[in-house]
Amino acid sequence: QVQLQESGPGLVKPSQTLSLTCTVSGGSISSGTYYWSWIRQPAGKGLEWIGRIYISGRTIYNPSLKSRVTISVDTSKNQFSLKLSSVTAADTAVYYCARYSSSPNWFGPWGQGTLVTVSS
Amino acid sequence: QSALTQPASVSGSPGQSITLSCSGTSSDVGGYNYVSWYQQHPGKAPKLMIYDVSNRPSGVSNRFSGSKSGNTASLTISGLQAEDEADYYCSSFTTSSTQLFGGGTKLTVL
Repeated sequence: QVQLQESGPGLVKPSQTLSLTCTVSGGSISSGTYYWSWIRQPAGKGLEWIGRIYISGRTIYNPSLKSRVTISVDTSKNQFSLKLSSVTAADTAVYYCARYSSSPNWFGPWGQGTLVTVSS
Repeated sequence: QSALTQPASVSGSPGQSITLSCSGTSSDVGGYNYVSWYQQHPGKAPKLMIYDVSNRPSGVSNRFSGSKSGNTASLTISGLQAEDEADYYCSSFTTSSTQLFGGGTKLTVL
C-alpha cells in the first residue's frame, strides 16, 4: 500500500526558508487522479491545510500562506516538496504530507509528520 | 478563509452515542457533499474515518457515521469505546477549490 514519509531539517532560523520533502513508496506518484498535499499542526492546535499539487505541476495554496509557499513535484524520484519562505516562530509545527483525492474527497494516507521548529 | 467551527470538547460514557458537529458556510460545508472526518490520537497522524459526508473507508468501524444538514456536518459515534478517545477534525472542500479544517474536538470517554 502507498506510504508517505516526510524529511527535512527540524530546525530553521527566523526569516529563512523551510524546506521539506515527502517520499512516496508503494505506488507511483504519477498514477491515478490524486493530488499531493501538505498540512501542518502547531503544538496543541488544529490542522491547517497548506496546499496541494498535481503531477502536471498545477498547484493550489491556502490564501493565507500563498505569498510564501511553493510546492513542487519530482516524478523521477517519486517525491514532492514544500518550501515556506520568511518563516517566523508562528510557523513552528508538525508538518504532514498526505495524498489527496478531490472526488471522492479525502486525505489519505498521511505521513507520520515531522516537527519543524523556527528558532535562532 | 476561516476554519470550520467544532466544539472544543465532548465527553461520553462507554456504550453511549455521541455526536460531534462541524459548522461552516454555504461556500464550503453547505455547498458540497465533500466533508470528511479524521481521528487523531496523541502523537499520531490523522486517520480518515468518514468521507463525502457519510461514507466509511474500508476498515473503519460501522459505529462511525456521518451526516449533513445545511451548513453543518455531524459525526456520530455509537457504542462508545475507550479507544475512541481522540481528537476529531472535520474538513471540507470550498468554492475556491481549497480545503478547510475545523479546529478539532477532543473526545473524552469517561
